[in-house]
Amino acid sequence: SAVISQKPSRDICQRGTSLTIQCQVDSQVTMMFWYRQQPGQSLTLIATANQGSEATYESGFVIDKFPISRPNLTFSTLTVSNMSPEDSSIYLCSVVIPSKDEQYFGPGTRLTVT
Amino acid sequence: RKEVEQDPGPFNVPEGATVAFNCTYSNSASQSFFWYRQDCRKEPKLLMSVYSSGNEDGRFTAQLNRASQYISLLIRDSKLSDSATYLCVVIPLDRGSTLGRLYFGRGTQLTVWP
Repeated sequence: SAVISQKPSRDICQRGTSLTIQCQVDSQVTMMFWYRQQPGQSLTLIATANQGSEATYESGFVIDKFPISRPNLTFSTLTVSNMSPEDSSIYLCSVVIPSKDEQYFGPGTRLTVT
Repeated sequence: RKEVEQDPGPFNVPEGATVAFNCTYSNSASQSFFWYRQDCRKEPKLLMSVYSSGNEDGRFTAQLNRASQYISLLIRDSKLSDSATYLCVVIPLDRGSTLGRLYFGRGTQLTVWP
């Protein structure tokens, strides 16, 4: 498995501001993803973070709202821009272990927007 | 129709009971199957992969029925520590542009009481 850390673990932010979440992995991985889990719901994929190129976004998510960086194979950031209370959620990064199709998740960032 | 559907739950069982969860998937070309466990306010953690021949890990048994497109998880001799939400996860063969994309069920909540 991989050891994944996220920062911050939680934050309370005001409407209209932006927050950048960091994800660090202890080994090089090709595939990293960002998910959102709203209260009482299952996980929803936001985007695939591609190293060296623009992220691939799922339907309903756009780069202007959720810009993603992936400068190398161990690190990625997700920014939640111009936040509204509807963005209150847990944001999780995940990585795929090559050739096993197994995904592992970071501890998540709990975001509350007031 | 959702990609993955699970028993609605919640399941409330006494210690020592046997409990089974089912999950159905809509894409017959799905390739890989997993059960994840998510504790309250924590990230999902891989519990076990589900193989075509079925697999067992201690008190946990996972089975796959491709003809009927369902996956099951059986927990024997339930422990208090088994209380969690269990997520059924499917990876389709045809991944399109999102390689490694997971499809999550909404999860089944299990509470084991003493």
